[in-house]
Amino acid sequence: GDSVTQMEGPVTLSEEAFLTINCTYTATGYPSLFWYVQYPGEGLQLLLKATKADDKGSNKGFEATYRKETTSFHLEKGSVQVSDSAVYFCALLMTGNQFYFGTGTSLTVIP
Amino acid sequence: NAGVTQTPKFRVLKTGQSMTLLCAQDMNHEYMYWYRQDPGMGLRLIHYSVGEGTTAKGEVPDGYNVSRLKKQNFLLGLESAAPSQTSVYFCASRTSGKRDTGELFFGEGSRLTVL
Repeated sequence: GDSVTQMEGPVTLSEEAFLTINCTYTATGYPSLFWYVQYPGEGLQLLLKATKADDKGSNKGFEATYRKETTSFHLEKGSVQVSDSAVYFCALLMTGNQFYFGTGTSLTVIP
Repeated sequence: NAGVTQTPKFRVLKTGQSMTLLCAQDMNHEYMYWYRQDPGMGLRLIHYSVGEGTTAKGEVPDGYNVSRLKKQNFLLGLESAAPSQTSVYFCASRTSGKRDTGELFFGEGSRLTVL
C-alpha cells in the first residue's frame, strides 16, 4: 500500500547549519507530496508541497523537490534558525481522501 | 480567524468511561478527519468524513465512533475508554472541488489520558 518513510530523529543542529531531512514514498500512482511542520504545543501546518514530478516546493527558506525516479521528497534548508525547531512530517496524498504521514522528525536548533 | 477548533484540549479519563471530542471548523470545508498522534508512530487516521451525514473508517477505527450531523462539526466518541487510547488527537479539515489544494488545516490537538 501507499506509505511514507522519513528519516528518524531527533536531529540537533547549530544555528546557520545546513538541514536535510530525508523522505521516500511508496505509491501505486502519482501522489501529491507535502511537508508539514508542528511547532511545540500546536497542530500541524503546511510548510510546502509539490503535485507532480520535478516540481519544487518552497517556503520560509525550505525546499523540497519531487523526484519520481528515486521516489523521494527530501526537505532542505541552507541555514537553519532557532525558530525552525519543530517536528517535520512528510506526507502523501493519492487521488482520494486519505493522507499518509511519516513518523515525524524532531529538529532542535541550538544558538 | 478561528479555523479548526477542538474541545476539550485536555482530559483525563478512567478506564471504561466515555467521552466525546468536538471539532468545529468555520471554513465551510467538506472533508474532516480525526487523527491520533503517538510517539514514534506519526499520525494515524481514525475516521474521516467527506461531507455532512457521511463517515468512513481510517487506519485505526476500533474503539471510536464519529458523527457529522452538521457540516461544520465532526465528533469523535470513545464509548469505553482504554489506556491504549491515551494519545493526542488532532482534527483536520480540507476543502474540496476546484479550490482543493490538498492542504489540511489542523486544530491544536486534544490530549487525552486514560488511567
